[in-house]
Amino acid sequence: QVQLHESGPGLVKPSGTLSLTCVVSGDSIRSSFWWSWVRLPPGKGLDWLGDIHHSERPFYNPSLKSRVTISVDTSKNQFSLNLRSVTAADTAIYYCARRSPGRTASFFDYWGQGTLVTVSS
Amino acid sequence: QSVLTQPPSVSAAPGQKVIISCSGSSSNIGNNYVSWYQHLPGKAPRLLIYENNKRPSGIPGRFSGSNSGTSATLGITGVQTGDEADYYCGSRQSSLSEEMLFGGGTKLTVL
Repeated sequence: QVQLHESGPGLVKPSGTLSLTCVVSGDSIRSSFWWSWVRLPPGKGLDWLGDIHHSERPFYNPSLKSRVTISVDTSKNQFSLNLRSVTAADTAIYYCARRSPGRTASFFDYWGQGTLVTVSS
Repeated sequence: QSVLTQPPSVSAAPGQKVIISCSGSSSNIGNNYVSWYQHLPGKAPRLLIYENNKRPSGIPGRFSGSNSGTSATLGITGVQTGDEADYYCGSRQSSLSEEMLFGGGTKLTVL
């Protein structure tokens, strides 16, 4: 059974950097799947941040591209999210998820439980 | 404002059928498969439908999906109180960024 688990600070100061890690079990991060970050701001809908494959370039949400970096650590079977210059608008529940490898048939089949990150001074 | 448009809310009595729509364009739904997710507060989103109309193992046959060009639908028959949740459609944008898209979400209320 594939499991994903997010971890990281629950509180980040405005203008700071939000950093989260997702540990994967039950699958290798070197598999054919992509590894993604999705967030749910309060009162809003799901928002895809980006994803990474162990052997291809990452893809990012164009609206966040200048602030976001996703990286993978194959030795620890985990991947990470860095979101720079955060504001209150970045307050959300952050989920990591596994995405299918198809280009036209892309879907998220396994998700972490999510971690709430609040941006506040 | 989401690129994929869903109604904000729908409602149904237990046992009834409900349909949730997801409207897009030829740049996304029109040329890419659609997936659907159920989200209960405090839980991880759950994949209900992938590739327009396929159900993952463990998803009841009460849930169904279809895609007719630039719009897709999720159908739930025999609605149960446990189905009260937010439902999201998802697809891909055919562009250089290959952006993954979600609809704005639809809140299902079971009367």
